[in-house]
Amino acid sequence: SQQGEEDPQALSIQEGENATMNCSYKTSINNLQWYRQNSGRGLVHLILIRSNEREKHSGRLRVTLDTSKKSSSLLITASRAADTASYFCATAPVPGANSKLTFGKGITLSVRP
Amino acid sequence: DTGVSQNPRHKITKRGQNVTFRCDPISEHNRLYWYRQTLGQGPEFLTYFQNEAQLEKSRLLSDRFSAERPKGSFSTLEIQRTEQGDSAMYLCASSPSGETGGGEKLFFGSGTQLSVL
Repeated sequence: SQQGEEDPQALSIQEGENATMNCSYKTSINNLQWYRQNSGRGLVHLILIRSNEREKHSGRLRVTLDTSKKSSSLLITASRAADTASYFCATAPVPGANSKLTFGKGITLSVRP
Repeated sequence: DTGVSQNPRHKITKRGQNVTFRCDPISEHNRLYWYRQTLGQGPEFLTYFQNEAQLEKSRLLSDRFSAERPKGSFSTLEIQRTEQGDSAMYLCASSPSGETGGGEKLFFGSGTQLSVL
């Protein structure tokens, strides 16, 4: 079963624009992570935000977490063609539960040059 | 840091054959995970190891699937009597142990793409 659901399913923007992707989840979490996947490759970790954090930055990435709404957003600023990829949110359960990350179905981002 | 290595990158097999995939995690990582991903979907958890102990298996992992991590280093995933529905990307990931309950970031390999004809 998939815990996170990303929105939208697909996003197409012009280079230089910002891309905003959303993730909603159902049960309490320890942390939420965003990953990126280029076609036919493995996933690469982008950023992790803990349940007691509300916002985190890493380079051109900004992630927010609203535990009351059980949602997160990933903002990529000043997008580049090289940002074209699939993006997944993944939730980590509260400590004491099983240890696996549960991934959503992903968002396909296309950045037009 | 050599990263997580998976072999082979691609595997084509006929229905009914057995296949085995190998994963070499990052050397200091004691947690190792197997996920399966089909086209247009996110990775689905199959199983995970803490050192050599297999701590959890998904209901997705039928009795045709078996995974081992004999010395707590590399891992193998075997599928017996493959079916066309087994066609997918099989991803391995590793992480260091950390806070209770896991949730550390995962380092993924490039995956093994299995095609069952």
